[in-house]
Amino acid sequence: QAVLTQPSSLSASPGASASLTCTLRSGINVDSYRIYWYQQKPGSPPQYLLRYKSDSDKQQGSGVPSRFSGSKDASANAGILLISGLQSEDEADYYCLIWHNSAWVFGGGTKVTVL
Amino acid sequence: EVQLVESGGGLVQPGGSLRLSCAASGFMFSGYWMTWVRQAPGKGLEWVANMKQDGSDKYYADSVKGRFTISRDNANNSLYLQMNTLRVEDTAVYYCARIGSTTVNSEDYWGQGTLVTVSS
Repeated sequence: QAVLTQPSSLSASPGASASLTCTLRSGINVDSYRIYWYQQKPGSPPQYLLRYKSDSDKQQGSGVPSRFSGSKDASANAGILLISGLQSEDEADYYCLIWHNSAWVFGGGTKVTVL
Repeated sequence: EVQLVESGGGLVQPGGSLRLSCAASGFMFSGYWMTWVRQAPGKGLEWVANMKQDGSDKYYADSVKGRFTISRDNANNSLYLQMNTLRVEDTAVYYCARIGSTTVNSEDYWGQGTLVTVSS
């Protein structure tokens, strides 16, 4: 089982909200981790969006719209990237990242399509 | 403005070697861990290696351990990746990145990447 699991794809309409999950493998407690989120558009490098550990330990990337926000769902053992008010420009791949057992681990990425 | 500029990619035969470079500017390079991340064509991101500020600590992905060596030159604000015994599966865009920010006003940055193609 992978350390981080992300749904491979998600589709939503413009103006809707999209909740992207990054589920940690059983036995790895999401509460202990700072989760980083990146957006990547075709042909471009990843861009930092934000990081989230708790409401008192979070950071938004400069220039990143406030409609991107991070949180956790402890019951699901997952980090969440919420995109509110989806726009066509949000169509991209999104990756989560944690530092685990002396290694950086990326999720497999979620492709977001804005219908 | 933070800039990370990779160079050194290209076409190499299986079993060959290549050295990637990353020129950093716009921040105090010696104050940050630095990282190499790669992305195979059409695939997701894969961490390769990272190195502590003074070079005293480094980590490698199992897939490259024993073949790749990360190094840095703080005097010249540069990060390197020596890649030996290259395999077809090492074909990817290699990114130099400052990731894993933790302090209040710091954030992550990525270079544009350099393409490494391993093929006969």
